[in-house]
Formats: sequence, structure tokens, C-alpha cells
Amino acid sequence: RKEVEQDPGPFNVPEGATVAFNCTYSNSASQSFFWYRQDCRKEPKLLMSVYSSGNEDGRFTAQLNRASQYISLLIRDSKLSDSATYLCVVGHINTGRRALTFGSGTRLQVQP
Amino acid sequence: DVKVTQSSRYLVKRTGEKVFLECVQDMDHENMFWYRQDPGLGLRLIYFSYDVKMKEKGDIPEGYSVSREKKERFSLILESASTNQTSMYLCASSPGDLTYGYTFGSGTRLTVV
Repeated sequence: RKEVEQDPGPFNVPEGATVAFNCTYSNSASQSFFWYRQDCRKEPKLLMSVYSSGNEDGRFTAQLNRASQYISLLIRDSKLSDSATYLCVVGHINTGRRALTFGSGTRLQVQP
Repeated sequence: DVKVTQSSRYLVKRTGEKVFLECVQDMDHENMFWYRQDPGLGLRLIYFSYDVKMKEKGDIPEGYSVSREKKERFSLILESASTNQTSMYLCASSPGDLTYGYTFGSGTRLTVV
């Protein structure tokens, strides 16, 4: 089983739609959580951190459910420029290892 | 603007060549990482380093080595390049813990022929 699992998509949505991505992680000791955005042939860039209380940044809302080991990202009023791959990322500090683990990504295509 | 800089954007090498991928960060970060990214497999950790002259194996270290002689520079070495090492290589850095995530370089697309 992969440590971080995401639906690869693609999600094809019209402009203005609301779309939600989900992600599950297997390591209950995980301590930090992020969503990254990756455009085609570019490097991943941090979209937002995810906190236990949930957090919002403009049209983007991220939520964390530790009991279910589940992270979500909600995008409201989708724009064409939101088209990208969204990576769910989880971090934990084990003995001898302090690194982030990436999901394979969910592709979003926003259509006019 | 803070940066992670990878020396080459595109690279073509022959099978059996020794290949050096360089990464430099200007943020005084303790941690540096090398990942490779392949379609359907996502980002996989090759090696990482928490400090100068220190290195740790990631999930797929076979066929690779690293060097960190200075805090700002982390080099990935392919000892004898093979076609299955054709991939996108991404360098990243982060401060001491993982609270702020990583900053990535723009990547090196390596093709081994």
C-alpha cells in the first residue's frame, strides 16, 4: 500500500465549478501536511499547509482528519489557471529520517 | 527571492557515463533532498542530507551517490548512467523541521541514451 494515496483523475470541470480532492495517508505518526501544485514540466510549488483546525486561503480550503488519516482540498470558483496537478504531501520525523512523502498527484483540468 | 538552483534544465548522457547533477540553495537551509519523478510513480526520494558531509539513503538509492561538502550545495552522482535512470530529477531544501515544507529547484530532465 502506498504511504500517500490520491485519485489520479483527471478531474475535468467547467470554470466557476467547485471541486474537491481527497488524499489518505497510512502513517499515523505523520506530523505535517501540505498541498503542492505542479504545472506541466515545472517543479512542485507549495500551495498551502494543512492544519488540524482546517485552513483557508482565498478560494482554497484544506482540511485534515487525523482520526481517518484523510486530507482534503476544496477549490471554489475554479479558474482556467487552476489547471495543474495537485500533490498531497505528508511529513513525519522518524528515527534517522526527516523527509516528506508525496502522493502521485491529482490532475485538474478547468475548461472554459 | 530565495532560490534553489539546479545546474542544468535538460541533459542527455550516454549509458555508462558518470553524471553529476548540481543543486545550490541560498536560504541557509539545513536539509537538502534529491527526488526523481516518473509518470505514474510520483516523486521518489533518492538521498537526503541534514548537514554538511552527512547523507542518508532514501527509498531508491541504488545507482546513485551524493556529496555535500558545503551547506548550500548538494550534488547527485550517477556512477554509471543507465537508461532506466532517464527521469526528471528534483532537488529541494528545507529548514530544520518540516513545518514549512520544501522549496524545489526547477528540475533537471535527464535522458540516458
